[in-house]
Amino acid sequence: GDSVTQMEGPVTLSEEAFLTINCTYTATGYPSLFWYVQYPGEGPQLLLKATKADDKGSNKGFEATYRKETTSFHLEKGSVQVSDSAVYFCALSGAVDSSYKLIFGSGTRLLVRP
Amino acid sequence: GAGVSQSPSNKVTEKGKDVELRCDPISGHTALYWYRQSLGQGLEFLIYFQGNSAPDKSGLPSDRFSAERTGGSVSTLTIQRTQQEDSAVYLCASSFTENTEAFFGQGTRLTVV
Repeated sequence: GDSVTQMEGPVTLSEEAFLTINCTYTATGYPSLFWYVQYPGEGPQLLLKATKADDKGSNKGFEATYRKETTSFHLEKGSVQVSDSAVYFCALSGAVDSSYKLIFGSGTRLLVRP
Repeated sequence: GAGVSQSPSNKVTEKGKDVELRCDPISGHTALYWYRQSLGQGLEFLIYFQGNSAPDKSGLPSDRFSAERTGGSVSTLTIQRTQQEDSAVYLCASSFTENTEAFFGQGTRLTVV
């Protein structure tokens, strides 16, 4: 079945460091890919998305490129801030097996130190 | 309302009792999802409603779990004969249609004692 695999956390970085969180997926169709961010005590919220191969999603300095050949959607940010500390979820939707339900990875906790 | 609303925000129940969790999606959203999030864990898919189509129930962990969506709007997740392992945060989300951004509620924290 469809699935999403993320790098395990926690990821601890100093402020202004470069961030990469790896995400790969398994799907039988052509899914849309998403990154959601969850702050403590809140529900996840959409950070960025890409709907087809080679699309780049971007928001708030975060970027991710849909790579069909490597089935990946890695999240990057050039200079993280303390306020970026949160849990990040990679997700897919729209592949054949998953219908249109959102399938989430296990999440990666990011901690940014001043 | 402006966002997805879930009630109650917290629920403590005794093992073996039934509970009902409510979700009010954003007005006009045709897709509605329920997820379960255990402490420090990821989002476990439970059930998905899309318009008038039959729901995708493939994530419900046992027959003690059921959900309905009345009039294409409000949804209720029911857990019968609750067990301690049912303790988690139950999150509801809605989206305008399939494959578009999902907006999540704050969740219901269920504790079974």
